[in-house]
Amino acid sequence: NAGVTQTPKFRVLKTGQSMTLLCAQDMNHEYMYWYRQDPGMGLRLIHYSVGEGTTAKGEVPDGYNVSRLKKQNFLLGLESAAPSQTSVYFCASSSRDRGFYGYTFGSGTRLTVV
Amino acid sequence: EDQVTQSPEALRLQEGESSSLNCSYTVSGLRGLFWYRQDPGKGPEFLFTLYSAGEEKEKERLKATLTKKESFLHITAPKPEDSATYLCAVRDNNDMRFGAGTRLTVKP
Repeated sequence: NAGVTQTPKFRVLKTGQSMTLLCAQDMNHEYMYWYRQDPGMGLRLIHYSVGEGTTAKGEVPDGYNVSRLKKQNFLLGLESAAPSQTSVYFCASSSRDRGFYGYTFGSGTRLTVV
Repeated sequence: EDQVTQSPEALRLQEGESSSLNCSYTVSGLRGLFWYRQDPGKGPEFLFTLYSAGEEKEKERLKATLTKKESFLHITAPKPEDSATYLCAVRDNNDMRFGAGTRLTVKP
């Protein structure tokens, strides 16, 4: 039971560099989400997807892009990293009812931008 | 604007000392209140969903209750392994909004 798998687990970037975070789920969930978690703040939604080939903006989308080419994968891209994007990033998924049974989260990616 | 506020920010208990965590919310059209447990270095783990005032859910030493404006997570006779951050989240018609969490430490 892998659930939601995120790679990488840790990354250090220099300002201006780009990277892609990968999220993979094996539960056949329709919905997938990218959140960031910062100290003293609740999880904040970056982007989400309601199905293969669809994406939508969340609460804090600026500086990020996403793609969902396959149902099981949801990619988060940073085109030009900034120190303000230092955070822990979580991917989550849920079935079609959008969280009746809650979200399943990955273990997170800790990103530091220097 | 919808808000979710958790209190206290941190709570230290002795093993066996029961207490409650609070989640207050303002949202139009509540479509669910969720509790999660998060261990250090890990993602949140789903615990409960509550949908209507008066509803209660239990799991081992945890019991979640819901009113029209807040939810409580009651911890009865906690053990050190209950130490974690507990998050609540509220869903309205469109969004799922998370609180900042309560960091619980249970000392033996």
